Amino acid sequence: QVQLQESGPGLVKPSQTLSLSCTVSAGSISRGTDYWNWIRQPAGKGLEWIGRIYTSGSTDYNPSLKSRVTISVDTSKNQFSLRLTSVTAADTAVYYCARGGAAPGAFDYWGQGTLVTVSS
Amino acid sequence: QSALTQPASVSGSPGQSITISCTGTSSDIGSYNLVSWYQKDPDKAPKLMIYEGGKRASGVSNRFSGSKSGNTASLTISGLQAEDEADYYCCSFATSRIGAFWVFGGGTKLTVL
Repeated sequence: QVQLQESGPGLVKPSQTLSLSCTVSAGSISRGTDYWNWIRQPAGKGLEWIGRIYTSGSTDYNPSLKSRVTISVDTSKNQFSLRLTSVTAADTAVYYCARGGAAPGAFDYWGQGTLVTVSS
Repeated sequence: QSALTQPASVSGSPGQSITISCTGTSSDIGSYNLVSWYQKDPDKAPKLMIYEGGKRASGVSNRFSGSKSGNTASLTISGLQAEDEADYYCCSFATSRIGAFWVFGGGTKLTVL
């Protein structure tokens, strides 16, 4: 079955850029109907959808984060990535990557999550 | 956009049934049959339980069911078991003049007494 694994720095300084990658294994990232998502959860709070990308490159972003978010995809590496600029302590969270599309409107496979702390 | 509204907590005894509500707006739950429910244990990734409002994900017990009426979706768990104790999140596709996005509820902590 499809597996997703997040990777990237666990500590980012305020005002800098958070960068994470998600590697998809045991399945192709290029399956036509799938889209690839980033979702986060700050400690003690709920889940927040960040954005998604199709392998065509088409993206949608959370309106509240849109000005700071870029999601990209590299099909040759079976990988997609997140960039979040101008981070603050409020961006400290566990970041998950997840697959969408197979179950309409839902996220059926998730990575284990990676904690990113914004601190100087 | 605002998060969907869920009760902070619900509880029930083993064998009982509980229902978790999820209230949105005409821009999300009310307009699309794309509500999903996730079970989340601490330090684990969310697990898809229900999608398209009432369809069970692969391998999910038929004790879990979902429904929708107007701007409110519901998750019902029947025959409560200790292993059901977890946080539950609803999620809906939504649109605005800015574009398409997903919105989650704040989460509901289920305690099995």
